[in-house]
Amino acid sequence: DQQVKQNSPSLSVQEGRISILNCDYTNSMFDYFLWYKKYPAEGPTFLISISSIKDKNEDGRFTVFLNKSAKHLSLHIVPSQPGDSAVYFCAASKEYGNKLVFGAGTILRVKS
Amino acid sequence: NAGVTQTPKFRILKIGQSMTLQCTQDMNHNYMYWYRQDPGMGLKLIYYSVGAGITDKGEVPNGYNVSRSTTEDFPLRLELAAPSQTSVYFCASSLNGPPNTFGSGTRLTVV
Repeated sequence: DQQVKQNSPSLSVQEGRISILNCDYTNSMFDYFLWYKKYPAEGPTFLISISSIKDKNEDGRFTVFLNKSAKHLSLHIVPSQPGDSAVYFCAASKEYGNKLVFGAGTILRVKS
Repeated sequence: NAGVTQTPKFRILKIGQSMTLQCTQDMNHNYMYWYRQDPGMGLKLIYYSVGAGITDKGEVPNGYNVSRSTTEDFPLRLELAAPSQTSVYFCASSLNGPPNTFGSGTRLTVV
C-alpha cells in the first residue's frame, strides 16, 4: 500500500526551462511534506518542506505547492540547471514527525 | 565538520552472519535515523532515536537492532543476515523533527 506515490519515474527538461515534479498521497493524516534530492552514491539532501497550513513555500529556485483537497504536491524548479540532474524524493509525515513515508523517486535529467 | 559518517561503505555478508553498521554525527543532533533503500524504491525507516537512551521502531524493524548510548553514535546491528537485507542503508540526523542530514550510505549484499 503506497501512501506516497511519484508516478513519473523520470523527467527530462531543457536547461533554463521549468521542471515540475509531482507527488500524490493517500493518507489524509499527513500534514508535513518534504522534498529531498539525491545524487548517485551519495545520501539524500533536504531541499524544501511545507506544512499543511500553507499551500506554497519558496526557497530560491525551488517552490513547493500543496493541494490538500487533491492530496497532491509538486516541486517546481525554475530555471532548471544541469546540476539539478538527480533523483528527487517526496516524503510525508503526520505533524512535524519522525516517521516519514517516502515516494519511490523521480529521476530528473536537465539537458544543456 | 564531518556531518554524518557511515562505515563501512560496502560489505558482503554470508547468510547467517551478523554485522554492525556504524553511524556517527558531530552536529550534536538529537534525532537519528536508519533507513534502507531497495532498488527502485523510496527509503523505508528501520529505527529512529530522539535522544541518547531512547529508540523506537520504524516501518521495517524486523531483523535489526539499534542502541543509542551517546548523542553522537547510532549503530545498526544485523543478526542472522538474510538475502532480503541486501540493500543500501542510510543513517540520518536532525536537531529535531524529520532528517535533514544524511550519510553517504552503506551498500550491503547478503549472499
